[in-house]
Amino acid sequence: GAVVSQHPSRVICKSGTSVKIECRSLDFQATTMFWYRQFPKQSLMLMATSNEGSKATYEQGVEKDKFLINHASLTLSTLTVTSAHPEDSSFYICSARDGGGGGINSPLHFGNGTRLTVT
Amino acid sequence: GNSVTQMEGPVTLSEEAFLTINCTYTATGYPSLFWYVQYPGEGLQLLLKATKADDKGSNKGFEATYRKETTSFHLEKGSVQVSDSAVYFCALSEGAGTALIFGKGTTLSVSS
Repeated sequence: GAVVSQHPSRVICKSGTSVKIECRSLDFQATTMFWYRQFPKQSLMLMATSNEGSKATYEQGVEKDKFLINHASLTLSTLTVTSAHPEDSSFYICSARDGGGGGINSPLHFGNGTRLTVT
Repeated sequence: GNSVTQMEGPVTLSEEAFLTINCTYTATGYPSLFWYVQYPGEGLQLLLKATKADDKGSNKGFEATYRKETTSFHLEKGSVQVSDSAVYFCALSEGAGTALIFGKGTTLSVSS
């Protein structure tokens, strides 16, 4: 079945550095990818919607200059956390919608998530 | 705005017990409703879905009915197994290409 590969699964970085998280659709073209953030015991909060070849659409309260999203191809979207701080420590999950048609019925596939710890 | 509210966990059951995880939603239109499951160490997987009122989604013994009158989509299973231990997320989507809005997730722990 369709798979979304998210890498890395875990990353520890020092405060002030930047971290890039990759999200790849392995056997389908993903015209739209979504980035979520999950705090402990809380829901997955949508951060941004990434469309191939265009600028990402960020949710209210999400700093676009801090969370840089690039969706340069139909199979890859990246999230870069710039100048990371301890409060950015969280679980980040990407999801990709199979662009093969079907609208709302197009399956949405999720990566396994990335646990970011900023020290 | 749109939102999803799930019962808080954790839910702890013995094997073969009956499971209900409540989910209610708030939406401006006519959303599609979903249940996702996250097994330990794995990503989210679609468990079942319903796209219109009175639809019943079912999979792996789980089922949920889209109740427009009560804006609910409660998840049920008649006899849980240890392997059902996971986090369950209720979610909605309002249209093609839109993101899912998730509830907070409910952790289910089933013991033998």
